[in-house]
Amino acid sequence: SQQGEEDPQALSIQEGENATMNCSYKTSINNLQWYRQNSGRGLVHLILIRSNEREKHSGRLRVTLDTSKKSSSLLITASRAADTASYFCANAGGTSYGKLTFGQGTILTVHP
Amino acid sequence: NAGVMQNPRHLVRRRGQEARLRCSPMKGHSHVYWYRQLPEEGLKFMVYLQKENIIDESGMPKERFSAEFPKEGPSILRIQQVVRGDSAAYFCASSPPGVSTDTQYFGPGTRLTVL
Repeated sequence: SQQGEEDPQALSIQEGENATMNCSYKTSINNLQWYRQNSGRGLVHLILIRSNEREKHSGRLRVTLDTSKKSSSLLITASRAADTASYFCANAGGTSYGKLTFGQGTILTVHP
Repeated sequence: NAGVMQNPRHLVRRRGQEARLRCSPMKGHSHVYWYRQLPEEGLKFMVYLQKENIIDESGMPKERFSAEFPKEGPSILRIQQVVRGDSAAYFCASSPPGVSTDTQYFGPGTRLTVL
């Protein structure tokens, strides 16, 4: 299976704390993307990191990519209650043109 | 610029009926993707289409499922003779012409319930 895995499956933190989610994948990639999904809603694109990049920042988000370990992490700093959602990584494989392979997701709960 | 639009948002069908899910991509986008999400799971790729062409249907079940993206009008995902196992959220995404492995923009999804 090309499906990636994320850990933890669920994360519960207090507002103001940092949240770190990890993602592993199995094939070569062109890029890796992180999405957020609020309960019962569609996915919102957060950040994309290309296979030749190691780290990327966007606001309170920091993404790292280690292609030798086939893993990525998403860090959300100074979390807010509004960050409560499911977070998915998705990789665009080298030979799977157009197809995103999603991980199982991490459910993040931020308590006010 | 309106986002990706999907309708209906909720669809209830009885076993054996047909389900038609529609997706209008963002303006200017020529790539459309369909994904299925079962409860408590991540999204699974189904099919990737460009106008009048199926590019990759490796995730489509072999029977009862079909997809099209005609020259005019929305993309349609069609499920014939639905069964309870088809109950899921179906998401459509689109991306602009060019490198299709970049960001995909997702619609709100259609939640299909099969009774």
